[in-house]
Amino acid sequence: QVQLQESGPGLVKPSETLSLTCTVSGGSVSSGTYYWSWIRQPPGKALEWIAYISYSGTTNYNPSLKSRVTISVDTSKNQFSLKLSSVTTADTAVYYCARHPRIVQGPFDSWGQGTLVTVSS
Amino acid sequence: EILLTQSPGTLSLSPGEGATLSCRASQSVSRSYLAWYQQKPGQAPRLLIYDASSRATGIPDRFSGSGSGTDFTLTISRLEPEDFALYYCQQYGSSPRTFGQGTKVEIK
Repeated sequence: QVQLQESGPGLVKPSETLSLTCTVSGGSVSSGTYYWSWIRQPPGKALEWIAYISYSGTTNYNPSLKSRVTISVDTSKNQFSLKLSSVTTADTAVYYCARHPRIVQGPFDSWGQGTLVTVSS
Repeated sequence: EILLTQSPGTLSLSPGEGATLSCRASQSVSRSYLAWYQQKPGQAPRLLIYDASSRATGIPDRFSGSGSGTDFTLTISRLEPEDFALYYCQQYGSSPRTFGQGTKVEIK
C-alpha cells in the first residue's frame, strides 16, 4: 500500500521560498500509472490544487499560482518536490502531497498526512 | 475554471438519520468526473466516491453518490458516529482541478 510523507520547514519568512518534499514508499514515482500532486488547505478554508508532475517531468500548474510554483521529481530518491516563491501570509496552509491516475482521469486516491507551513516574520 | 458550490454549509443531524449533500458546478463536469472526500480534524481527506457514483475501496455502502452534468449529490443513508465530519466535492474533468468549499455534518 503506497504511503506519502511530506517534509520541510514549518516556518517560512515573507518574501522567501517555501520548499517541501514528498517521499513515496510502498510504490514508485517512476510508475507511469500516476501523476503526483501538491494540494494545500489554509486554516479553516477549502482545499486548493497547486500542481502535478509525472515520472517523466510532465507538469501542470494551477494558473492562480503558476508564476510562483515549481514542481520537480527525483526518481532516484522516489520523491517529488514543491517550491513556492515570494510567499506571503496568505500562503500559510497545510500542504498535502497526493497521487491520481494518469492514463484515465481519476481522483486523488492516496494522500500524505499533510504538513503545516506558517509564513511569518 | 469550474466553480463548485456545496450546500448546505452545515447539516445538523442525529445518528441514524440520513444525510443529503449537494454539489453544484458552474459548468458541466466532463464525463461526471466528480469525487467526494471525507475529512476529519487533523487528518487528510479520504476518498469516498469517484466518477460521481462509484464507491472507493473499503467505503461502506451507506455512502452513495449520484448526479451528472452540473448537479451532484452525496447521500449517507444512516449516519454512524464516525460519519460526522467535513465533506468536499472535487472535479477532475478539467484543469485546474477544483474543490467545493465543504459541508460540515455535525451532531444535532
